Amino acid sequence: AQSVTQLDSHVSVSEGTPVLLRCNYSSSYSPSLFWYVQHPNKGLQLLLKYTSAATLVKGINGFEAEFKKSETSFHLTKPSAHMSDAAEYFCVVSVPTNAGKSTFGDGTTLTVKP
Amino acid sequence: EAEVAQSPRYKITEKSQAVAFWCDPISGHATLYWYRQILGQGPELLVQFQDESVVDDSQLPKDRFSAERLKGVDSTLKIQPAELGDSAMYLCASSSGLAGGGGYNEQFFGPGTRLTVL
Repeated sequence: AQSVTQLDSHVSVSEGTPVLLRCNYSSSYSPSLFWYVQHPNKGLQLLLKYTSAATLVKGINGFEAEFKKSETSFHLTKPSAHMSDAAEYFCVVSVPTNAGKSTFGDGTTLTVKP
Repeated sequence: EAEVAQSPRYKITEKSQAVAFWCDPISGHATLYWYRQILGQGPELLVQFQDESVVDDSQLPKDRFSAERLKGVDSTLKIQPAELGDSAMYLCASSSGLAGGGGYNEQFFGPGTRLTVL
């Protein structure tokens, strides 16, 4: 079985300050981990993914995430928030069994204040 | 840029009525997914296809929901009869590669169909 916990349902930051969205996972197998972003009235878009290569993963729009097996975490960070980063963010885990089924977290809403 | 198409974008129906949603994946993508996203929650997988075959429908309420992908291309998700608790966003996604290929493949999502059951 696999599961994902996004530790914050809402995060609010000021423009230009760092962003940290936290994600913990549970998996019986070596997982693949993803972060997706969902802007209002738009489909989910992949930000970045970890698939057992480098533990520090760089994605689009300046986001990155670090896979920490000992902490079972995959937190998403960005050094400087932009107004356009305001959106819903989902952490996703999938494993190489069960047809590669993906399990989504409940999401974190990021608000960026001017 | 290729996109996943879904229709309709919005659907309002009364309980006990039948509804159907359509999805056209990115050309060449063998794997197709249907998710349900309830407000305030993450998407939950309803059914996953590899070409025309169902590889996972463990969370599909089969007494009222059905899904098909007859020619391994586009897909239809049906609810009959609709219930109040079915109000949600229904998302379709597709990916290349095999469904059992490690779960490594990026999923490309459509804009979704927002269903309201009155």
